[in-house]
Amino acid sequence: QVQLVESGGDLVKPGGSLRLSCAASGFTFSDCYLTWIRQAPGKGLEWISYISSTGSTIYYADSVKGRFTISRDNAKNSLYLQMNSLRAEDTAVYYCAIRSKNAGIFDYWGQGTLVTVSS
Amino acid sequence: EVVMTQSPATLSVSPGERATLSCRASQSVSIDLAWYQHKPGQAPRLLIYNAATRATGIPARFSGSGSGTEFTLTISSLQSEDFAVYYCQHYNNWPPGTFGQGTKVEIK
Repeated sequence: QVQLVESGGDLVKPGGSLRLSCAASGFTFSDCYLTWIRQAPGKGLEWISYISSTGSTIYYADSVKGRFTISRDNAKNSLYLQMNSLRAEDTAVYYCAIRSKNAGIFDYWGQGTLVTVSS
Repeated sequence: EVVMTQSPATLSVSPGERATLSCRASQSVSIDLAWYQHKPGQAPRLLIYNAATRATGIPARFSGSGSGTEFTLTISSLQSEDFAVYYCQHYNNWPPGTFGQGTKVEIK
């Protein structure tokens, strides 16, 4: 079955960097559109980034544009999120998710990894 | 940006009862509306898309309705496994699409 497993979450100081990974299995990874979505403590869900199956199309939410970089390695069935210039407001559980081919619907999600930005 | 407002924030329901959750969009999103279920420590799960279409494997007790700015998720007879937080999300002119703040369905 479809499995998405995030890793890399940690405690980091403001201004620091972190790289999240998402390991995928149970489906044809190279065919899928992928996204990162986060949930800050006590808040709702926020979509933050998208990458197409080949990596040719990438989108970011305004809140992370210029600081975060999404990438993928189809040979390794892995999705990544490089996070730089981290701020306290980036503290959240980060989920990777498969986006539907036809619309901005998220068909499958991982269980998330916690990123805490604090001095 | 379209703002999604869910109500109530918390819904207390007894097992076997009906639950009705509401989601309102600040402007029309047509039927570009999805519902997700989220249990603590688990991956969120897609329930409904296109406002009323159940996702694969979702039980028939879950139903969605609405269009434009007003949407409803109904759980016809709550089972123990249905106690969770439910989020609506619009995907009209995605990205970004936005989520509501969630409705927590708790045991009465």
